[in-house]
Amino acid sequence: GAGVSQSPRYKVAKRGQDVALRCDPISGHVSLFWYQQALGQGPEFLTYFQNEAQLDKSGLPSDRFFAERPEGSVSTLKIQRTQQEDSAVYLCASRPGMGNEKLFFGSGTQLSVL
Amino acid sequence: SQELEQSPQSLIVQEGKNLTINCTSSKTLYGLYWYKQKYGEGLIFLMMLQKGGEEKSHEKITAKLDEKKQQSSLHITASQPSHAGIYLCGADVATGGFKTIFGAGTRLFVKA
Repeated sequence: GAGVSQSPRYKVAKRGQDVALRCDPISGHVSLFWYQQALGQGPEFLTYFQNEAQLDKSGLPSDRFFAERPEGSVSTLKIQRTQQEDSAVYLCASRPGMGNEKLFFGSGTQLSVL
Repeated sequence: SQELEQSPQSLIVQEGKNLTINCTSSKTLYGLYWYKQKYGEGLIFLMMLQKGGEEKSHEKITAKLDEKKQQSSLHITASQPSHAGIYLCGADVATGGFKTIFGAGTRLFVKA
């Protein structure tokens, strides 16, 4: 595709509800990243993939957060039993190789948990 | 864990003035990136620096990486309202592959 695409753009969830956020990276990009950005803060690393392998998930805040990239392209970030503190913008980024390259970012999904 | 410190946190400048934003790490940086973010939008890549002492410029923005590769600066000459936004520095950290982490950002406001 022309760029990194994220959907939905906005998501409002009731506390306790499960949500799934989707990321379509640029076609052929090996690495895919998820970040969480709270209001007024920089992006916080959540997890990243090389192809279908999840190499680092150290940034996932709790076991309610789960990410997958089963075929090495599209990725889904799932949050179970959402809490108010999960409200943030979730950014996805991809890059062609495995390091020392710029990231291409999507526009993000703004999640509001009521 | 490695962290990136950015300063200042926010900056208000008069249009036409120069300004500098700094990014510092306690460890050697492998791949230093500068991005700009407009409120509510994704990050736009500005520049990447890899070598100690490297300097790059694009239009009125210049970025430098010091010889020790632990500090970078972003300098804007003759600021314009279009320069307003959040400036983020990012760096690669080795972890199986390389993940990119970011500083907290510098919020720039330019008064016309």
